[in-house]
Amino acid sequence: RKEVEQDPGPFNVPEGATVAFNCTYSNSASQSFFWYRQDCRKEPKLLMSVYSSGNEDGRFTAQLNRASQYISLLIRDSKLSDSATYLCVVRGAGKSTFGDGTTLTVKP
Amino acid sequence: DTEVTQTPKHLVMGMTNKKSLKCEQHMGHRAMYWYKQKAKKPPELMFVYSYEKLSINESVPSRFSPECPNSSLLNLHLHALQPEDSALYLCASSPRTGGRDGEKLFFGSGTQLSVL
Repeated sequence: RKEVEQDPGPFNVPEGATVAFNCTYSNSASQSFFWYRQDCRKEPKLLMSVYSSGNEDGRFTAQLNRASQYISLLIRDSKLSDSATYLCVVRGAGKSTFGDGTTLTVKP
Repeated sequence: DTEVTQTPKHLVMGMTNKKSLKCEQHMGHRAMYWYKQKAKKPPELMFVYSYEKLSINESVPSRFSPECPNSSLLNLHLHALQPEDSALYLCASSPRTGGRDGEKLFFGSGTQLSVL
């Protein structure tokens, strides 16, 4: 079993749609959780941290469920510019482990 | 200034060449990383330097040799690479302060390496 597993995707949605991504992790001792966004041929960029209490930034909401060991990312009112690969990152034991990523394409 | 700067952006080398990748950050971050990323795959950790000391080596072949001259600089020396080493090499840094935010990764734009 992989340490970090994400929805395989791809997700193709129309503008304005709400889309949710899930990510599960295997190490219960993991300490920090993040979502990164990576555009084609670019470096990953931090989208948001994920806290047990939930974290909202505009149209984006991230949630952590430690009991079930999963992380979610909700994007509301999708924009064309949201098209990218979304990477779930779990940190523990001094290193960050990336999920395989979920590709989102938002269409007009 | 929130940048991590990597040079060169592109590199083509033969299997007998020696080259170096460079990374620089001036955010006062105390941890620096090398990742390797193949197309349509996530970044794979290679090395971690924490407070200028090598703390993690993910069983990387010795043809890759990291160096951290000071807290702002990170190099990756390449020698006798194989064609399968062709990939995007990403440098990252993190504050390594206490708490969750200390572990946020800031990436450079990468070096696209082709080994012929």
